[in-house]
Amino acid sequence: AQKVTQAQTEISVVEKEDVTLDCVYETRDTTYYLFWYKQPPSGELVFLIRRNSFDEQNEISGRYSWNFQKSTSSFNFTITASQVVDSAVYFCALSEAVYGFNKFYFGSGTKLNVKP
Amino acid sequence: DGGITQSPKYLFRKEGQNVTLSCEQNLNHDAMYWYRQDPGQGLRLIYYSQIVNDFQKGDIAEGYSVSREKKESFPLTVTSAQKNPTAFYLCASSNGMGSNQPQHFGDGTRLSIL
Repeated sequence: AQKVTQAQTEISVVEKEDVTLDCVYETRDTTYYLFWYKQPPSGELVFLIRRNSFDEQNEISGRYSWNFQKSTSSFNFTITASQVVDSAVYFCALSEAVYGFNKFYFGSGTKLNVKP
Repeated sequence: DGGITQSPKYLFRKEGQNVTLSCEQNLNHDAMYWYRQDPGQGLRLIYYSQIVNDFQKGDIAEGYSVSREKKESFPLTVTSAQKNPTAFYLCASSNGMGSNQPQHFGDGTRLSIL
């Protein structure tokens, strides 16, 4: 079974539109961490944010905001006033401790196309 | 600047040939990882290493081998036993093995079959 599901394979928006990328996760652990990464065309995954399972406060960083809801096992990512430079593949990931090892489970990614 | 360097950026493999992908980090991280990315899919873990001279198989280790002789280096060999090696390979490192540590990634190596 998928640990992390990103149901949106690809999204296209016009610049300045707001866009939300969905992420649903599955875990039986009470302690876990959630991450978002951005993969631009260059290929490198860039770390964006980390949340722990005990902190459900929403977070805002500039045009980026994250909504973490344990009740629905979701950790959604919103970009406000999107820009062409936001075009990339975005990955959501769940991290659990497995026999002392920091195991990451990645979703399949959402490709965001922002058109001028 | 601190970071992870992967080389080469592009690599071509002939049938029956072993090839080695390089990964070097200067972040002083203990843990290193190798992932495989196929189109439209997430990252799948090949091997990981928590400390020098120690490494463990990930979810798709068959046809791959690694070594960890130095803290900074974690090369991946794609052997001839890997029948479908065409993919994008990403190396990562993290500061310790706790589940709260983000993994930092290199630019990747794209491997193709000739």
